Amino acid sequence: GAGVSQSPRYKVAKRGQDVALRCDPISGHVSLFWYQQALGQGPEFLTYFQNEAQLDKSGLPSDRFFAERPEGSVSTLKIQRTQQEDSAVYLCASSPGALNQPQHFGDGTRLSIL
Amino acid sequence: EDKVVQSPLSLVVHEGDTVTLNCSYEVTNFRSLLWYKQEKKAPTFLFMLTSSGIEKKSGRLSSILDKKELFSILNITATQTGDSAVYLCAPAQGGSEKLVFGKGTKLTVNP
Repeated sequence: GAGVSQSPRYKVAKRGQDVALRCDPISGHVSLFWYQQALGQGPEFLTYFQNEAQLDKSGLPSDRFFAERPEGSVSTLKIQRTQQEDSAVYLCASSPGALNQPQHFGDGTRLSIL
Repeated sequence: EDKVVQSPLSLVVHEGDTVTLNCSYEVTNFRSLLWYKQEKKAPTFLFMLTSSGIEKKSGRLSSILDKKELFSILNITATQTGDSAVYLCAPAQGGSEKLVFGKGTKLTVNP
């Protein structure tokens, strides 16, 4: 596609529910990143994929957060048993994978936990 | 611990003014530094800087990196209302190339 596509744009869930957020990267991009952006803050790194391999998940805040990219293209970020502090914008970015190539971001999913 | 500090956090100017946004960083395994502009939605890429002292320029925007002092600046000349946004500075770390973002500078350009 022309850009990184994320869905849904907005998600409202009740505390305790599970949610799944989707990211469709730019076609052919090897690297895929998830970031969490709280209101008034810069994005914070969650996890990184190179093709289907999850090479860094050091930013995932707890074991309730899980990400996958089974075929090396579309990725899903899943949050189980959501809590109010999970409310944030979740941004996905992709890059070609070669050194010194910028990441390009999607518009994000705004998650609100009631 | 990795740290990125942007200043000022907020800036209000009039159209036509010139602004300088600052970014200082301390990150392990530094590879490059990127600047993004964020309006309502996705951060949009402005510059990637890998070498010290080489200015990158795009229209009214320019940026430079000092790897010795661990510092970068973003200049915007002849500001326009469309420049109003949050400007994010993000060093990239080698290995995963993950970005470490600052809190951003919120720029407001009034007509």
